Amino acid sequence: QVQLQESGPGLVKPSGTLSLTCAVSGGSISTTNWWSWVRQPPGKGLEWIGEIYYTGSTNYNPSLKSRVTISVDKSENQFSLNLSSVTAADTAVYFCARKVYDFPYYFDYWGQGTLVTVSS
Amino acid sequence: DMQMTQSPSSLSASVGDRVTITCRASQNIRSYLNWYQRKPGKAPKLLIYGASSLQSGVPSRFSGSGSGTDFTLTITSLQPEDFASYFCQQSYSTPNTFGQGTRLEI
Repeated sequence: QVQLQESGPGLVKPSGTLSLTCAVSGGSISTTNWWSWVRQPPGKGLEWIGEIYYTGSTNYNPSLKSRVTISVDKSENQFSLNLSSVTAADTAVYFCARKVYDFPYYFDYWGQGTLVTVSS
Repeated sequence: DMQMTQSPSSLSASVGDRVTITCRASQNIRSYLNWYQRKPGKAPKLLIYGASSLQSGVPSRFSGSGSGTDFTLTITSLQPEDFASYFCQQSYSTPNTFGQGTRLEI
């Protein structure tokens, strides 16, 4: 059974960089799946941030593209999210998820999520 | 971005009831629609993919239907463990977008 676990600081200062890592266990990150980040601000719906393939290919949400970097570390079987120039609007629960890249492209495994608060 | 309108936003029901949640896409997304369950502090769980395919291990009381712009998630004979939040997701276009969610309460 594949498991994903997010980790990283729960508090980030405004204008700083939010950095999270998703550790993948129970399976290799080097598969035909893509690895995604999704977030949910308090009281709002879910927002897809972006995704990465084990080769390093990425896709990002255009609304966040200028501030987002997703990277992969095959040796550690994990992938990471960096979101720069954060503001209070970036306060959210951040999830990592595995995306099956075959019709109809769904997220079959998710992490529990980690709350990141942007505040001074 | 594709807009996904989910209704109702909250729903009260009892054990044994049948409930239906709807999701409407702003454009035709064929069958690129998935449903998830989320409980506080737990990882979201895939229930239905491709509008109507039941994910392995998910009880058969969950079912999905629809295509194009209108979709439904139906739960027959509600069980205590089904009281949670549910959300839809379209995977037809990038960025993938989600419904606002439905909170199912006792």
